[in-house]
Amino acid sequence: EDQVTQSPEALRLQEGESSSLNCSYTVSGLRGLFWYRQDPGKGPEFLFTLYSAGEEKEKERLKATLTKKESFLHITAPKPEDSATYLCAVLEDSSASKIIFGSGTRLSIRP
Amino acid sequence: EAQVTQNPRYLITVTGKKLTVTCSQNMNHEYMSWYRQDPGLGLRQIYYSMNVEVTDKGDVPEGYKVSRKEKRNFPLILESPSPNQTSLYFCASSLKTGFTYEQYFGPGTRLTVT
Repeated sequence: EDQVTQSPEALRLQEGESSSLNCSYTVSGLRGLFWYRQDPGKGPEFLFTLYSAGEEKEKERLKATLTKKESFLHITAPKPEDSATYLCAVLEDSSASKIIFGSGTRLSIRP
Repeated sequence: EAQVTQNPRYLITVTGKKLTVTCSQNMNHEYMSWYRQDPGLGLRQIYYSMNVEVTDKGDVPEGYKVSRKEKRNFPLILESPSPNQTSLYFCASSLKTGFTYEQYFGPGTRLTVT
């Protein structure tokens, strides 16, 4: 069964304390892996798409990387405004249309 | 302003009373999708549509219907709602350029079925 697992479920950091969020996936073939940010009471907001192992994308304090089995979202020197739930999703090969989301990591940054 | 709109934003209804949640996008996107979000389960895809008159089931389609008669609209229909359909629902759309499914999400509809 295709699965997307995110860890940890929740992460509390001090402002400036860098860390990484993990997204591991088991799909028959990966067409694309996506990262989204979701603020409370709002819809998810697109961050990155990664297509192949070794690929990296950056945006401000965020950097996403991809291997054959997992993706990491690295957060460098986070600020309180980075607090949100971060969602990972995959587009798997067999359907190329169905998207599977992980349950997310709730990130909290203390000032 | 490019956006996905959903209506209503909040809805409380009773078991068995048919309802429709509307979704509209103004970006001329081909791909549209409905998700439900439940605590601990994340976002689960209900139905998706690759283009007008083309729809397909996601992971949790039971109890839901959709239609795509126009490119901009993708309504979600609950013919006979039940309490287990109480959830937060999101509509999303994307260009579907190659495999870049950069989805734009609506603000969500919180549905309670009593």
